Amino acid sequence: DAKTTQPTSMDCAEGRAANLPCNHSTISGNEYVYWYRQIHSQGPQYIIHGLKNNETNEMASLIITEDRKSSTLILPHATLRDTAVYYCIVRVGNSWGKLQFGSGTQVVVTP
Amino acid sequence: NAGVTQTPKFQVLKTGQSMTLQCAQDMNHNSMYWYRQDPGMGLRLIYYSASEGTTDKGEVPNGYNVSRLNKREFSLRLESAAPSQTSVYFCASSENHGLSPLHFGNGTRLTVT
Repeated sequence: DAKTTQPTSMDCAEGRAANLPCNHSTISGNEYVYWYRQIHSQGPQYIIHGLKNNETNEMASLIITEDRKSSTLILPHATLRDTAVYYCIVRVGNSWGKLQFGSGTQVVVTP
Repeated sequence: NAGVTQTPKFQVLKTGQSMTLQCAQDMNHNSMYWYRQDPGMGLRLIYYSASEGTTDKGEVPNGYNVSRLNKREFSLRLESAAPSQTSVYFCASSENHGLSPLHFGNGTRLTVT
């Protein structure tokens, strides 16, 4: 699986959009970008995933650059409950083996 | 719709004791997984069941056994607990083994003394 790089932390004001970047410059053509988050003491929560097109669901939007070397997760209207560690994972969709989340981005949403 | 439910939430065992961690999902998913999460090591796959009636070893299966009881339920058994098995255990499910996203339970925090 390709290596990913994310900022260590970021703050966001409640109600504003949170834009979380992820670099994955070694991504290969058949690797998908997945985003998960983990709120303290809870299990990881799936947010969104994509291959090359931008994706949107009820939780977030995923913007993938044309060269696929980076992506941005957008939380359109951050709430206090969005405070969590956000993980960007790049993987081939063949099996869910070792899931190395990396260190992720600690997002703190403030009132 | 509860998603993935794990029981118990917390457990303390003495070395050598046995226990079973229970997991159930109500999303009609075909595949289920057991992971352990330790600081600095990410999530490591213990066992998985790609479909009802099948189970396979993951990265760290030693000391564990699993049972896919039916499509909804997937249990993890520690026959003789060891301190090295102190960890947070997560059960997950996915619609199909492979591309479908994983959906996790809230974990069982196990301490073996």
